[in-house]
Amino acid sequence: GAVVSQHPSWVICKSGTSVKIECRSLDFQATTMFWYRQFPKQSLMLMATSNEGSKATYEQGVEKDKFLINHASLTLSTLTVTSAHPEDSSFYICSAKAEGWPREAFFGQGTRLTVV
Amino acid sequence: GQNIDQPTEMTATEGAIVQINCTYQTSGFNGLFWYQQHAGEAPTFLSYNVLDGLEEKGRFSSFLSRSKGYSYLLLKELQMKDSASYLCAVGDSNYQLIWGAGTKLIIKP
Repeated sequence: GAVVSQHPSWVICKSGTSVKIECRSLDFQATTMFWYRQFPKQSLMLMATSNEGSKATYEQGVEKDKFLINHASLTLSTLTVTSAHPEDSSFYICSAKAEGWPREAFFGQGTRLTVV
Repeated sequence: GQNIDQPTEMTATEGAIVQINCTYQTSGFNGLFWYQQHAGEAPTFLSYNVLDGLEEKGRFSSFLSRSKGYSYLLLKELQMKDSASYLCAVGDSNYQLIWGAGTKLIIKP
């Protein structure tokens, strides 16, 4: 299957600081990227959907000014958690999908964020 | 509203067969996906069904009935490494994936 690389795999940051997470599709052009958050023992919660070159579409209840998403190219999307707080600690996963349907979404390795 | 239902947890014995069910109610249907997720890792793709019937892929098979809004994932010859969560996801009319909460499968020796 296709490869999606997510970086970093884990990060610890201080409360009030910002953290950037990168998601790259290594061997295909990802027209759509999805950002998920997953709390322990829970399923994936979609945060936002981004299409290359356009603004991300955020799910209800997700603060777009807090979770900044940029999808500037067909191989890279970034999620920046601004002014992080302990309650933002979670497992963040990106997935990337090529144009067309059905094209299964390929997932990055995930980023475990701990805010202290 | 849109809804995907799966059992929260199932237990099975090594070497046995287990069936994980998924029922869905979505605005439109553009296929159903099954993913496997080991603890602390990202999900990996297992199968995709868009037509009624059974799709077999090695030890794993996936079944779909669109009229009943129902799918199942069948795992045969269970191995300890199959212990994981299994996620059912449906593509709706906007080709957005709607995710179930996942079924945690515990395999016992």
